[in-house]
Amino acid sequence: QKEVEQDPGPLSVPEGAIVSLNCTYSNSAFQYFMWYRQYSRKGPELLMYTYSSGNKEDGRFTAQVDKSSKYISLFIRDSQPSDSATYLCAMSKSSGDKLTFGTGTRLAVRP
Amino acid sequence: GAGVSQTPSNKVTEKGKYVELRCDPISGHTALYWYRQSLGQGPEFLIYFQGTGAADDSGLPNDRFFAVRPEGSVSTLKIQRTERGDSAVYLCASRSRMVSTDTQYFGPGTRLTVL
Repeated sequence: QKEVEQDPGPLSVPEGAIVSLNCTYSNSAFQYFMWYRQYSRKGPELLMYTYSSGNKEDGRFTAQVDKSSKYISLFIRDSQPSDSATYLCAMSKSSGDKLTFGTGTRLAVRP
Repeated sequence: GAGVSQTPSNKVTEKGKYVELRCDPISGHTALYWYRQSLGQGPEFLIYFQGTGAADDSGLPNDRFFAVRPEGSVSTLKIQRTERGDSAVYLCASRSRMVSTDTQYFGPGTRLTVL
C-alpha cells in the first residue's frame, strides 16, 4: 500500500463549478502538506503549502489538512478551463525534506 | 529570474547505454532534488543534495544510478546500462534555505526513453 493515496480521476466539471480534490496518507510523521499543479509536459508548480492541521486560503484555492484523519483536501472555487491540469498532493516529514507525492488527479474544466 | 533548467529536454537511448541528465538549479539555491515520474504516477524521490554532498540517496533504485553536484550548483544524474524500465520523466527541483520560502521549485524535466 502506498503512503499517499490519491484518486487519479479523471475528473470533469463545468466551468464555474467547485472542485474538491483529496488525498489520504498513512504515515503520521508527515507534517508539511502541499498541492502542486502540473500541466502536460511541464514540471509541477506549487499551489498551496500548509504546516500541520488547519485551513489556508489563497484566492480561489483553499487547502485543508486534518491530521487526525490523515486526510487533506484542495478546493477550487469558480473553476476555469485554465485550471485543467493534473493536481498532485505532496507531503514531507520535516522542512526541506524529500516529498512524497500522490499519483495525481487529472482535472478537466469544460467551457 | 530564471527557473530550474534541465537538459536535454528529451533523450532517446538504447538499452544498455549510458546517459547523463543535467540540472541547473535556481541561482543561490543550496538544496537540489532529483525525482522520477513514470506515466500516470506522481514523482518519486531519488536523491537530495545539500551543497555538494548527498544528504539522502535512499530513493536511488540500484547502483546503476548515480548523481553528483561537485561545485554545489549544477547536478548531473548518471544512469549506467540503461533498461527499458528506466523510461520516465526525470525531474529536478531546487530550494532556498530561507524558511519563508521553503518551497521546492521544479524544472520541466528530461523525458528519457530507453528502446
